[in-house]
Amino acid sequence: GNSVTQMEGPVTLSEEAFLTINCTYTATGYPSLFWYVQYPGEGLQLLLKATKADDKGSNKGFEATYRKETTSFHLEKGSVQVSDSAVYFCALIPMYSGGGADGLTFGKGTHLIIQP
Amino acid sequence: DTEVTQTPKHLVMGMTNKKSLKCEQHMGHRAMYWYKQKAKKPPELMFVYSYEKLSINESVPSRFSPECPNSSLLNLHLHALQPEDSALYLCASSPRSLNTEAFFGQGTRLTVV
Repeated sequence: GNSVTQMEGPVTLSEEAFLTINCTYTATGYPSLFWYVQYPGEGLQLLLKATKADDKGSNKGFEATYRKETTSFHLEKGSVQVSDSAVYFCALIPMYSGGGADGLTFGKGTHLIIQP
Repeated sequence: DTEVTQTPKHLVMGMTNKKSLKCEQHMGHRAMYWYKQKAKKPPELMFVYSYEKLSINESVPSRFSPECPNSSLLNLHLHALQPEDSALYLCASSPRSLNTEAFFGQGTRLTVV
């Protein structure tokens, strides 16, 4: 089956620090990979995506590269801000499914706390 | 318009009540989803509708009953819930049911008393 493993945290950093949140996956074939962010009391927002090997997704200073050889999709940001404090979910969806449909498979989420 | 709209935002219901959660999108997406999220946990898939047909039911108890009246609307009918069903219920949509991102609504915070 499909699975996503990510560091759970909480991860506490100072403002302007470099951020890395590790994410590895297990899936058959070539899934699409995503990072979602959830602020307190809100739904999930798509942060970035990559649909094939070596693709780099980027948005709002965040980046992640689809590495098929290491089955990884690590999230990075060069200089974090207090407003980046949130829960970050790594997720995948398969390219094919026997039933013709599927939902996202999520990691457990990483709670990021940025201190001024 | 990239919004998925869920109503109500908050709902408190007794264990003998019947209520419905509603979800609407106007992006022309053909797949819609219900997820359940407990505190400090990732969302758990409940149901997937693809082209208005129920494609996946992840062994959800029958006290949860989904309905997809048309390609823009998704309902979740609730009946005889238990306190442990209290959670954030998230609706999502995507252009198709595989190999593409999903867009989430803000969720309905449900409390069963």
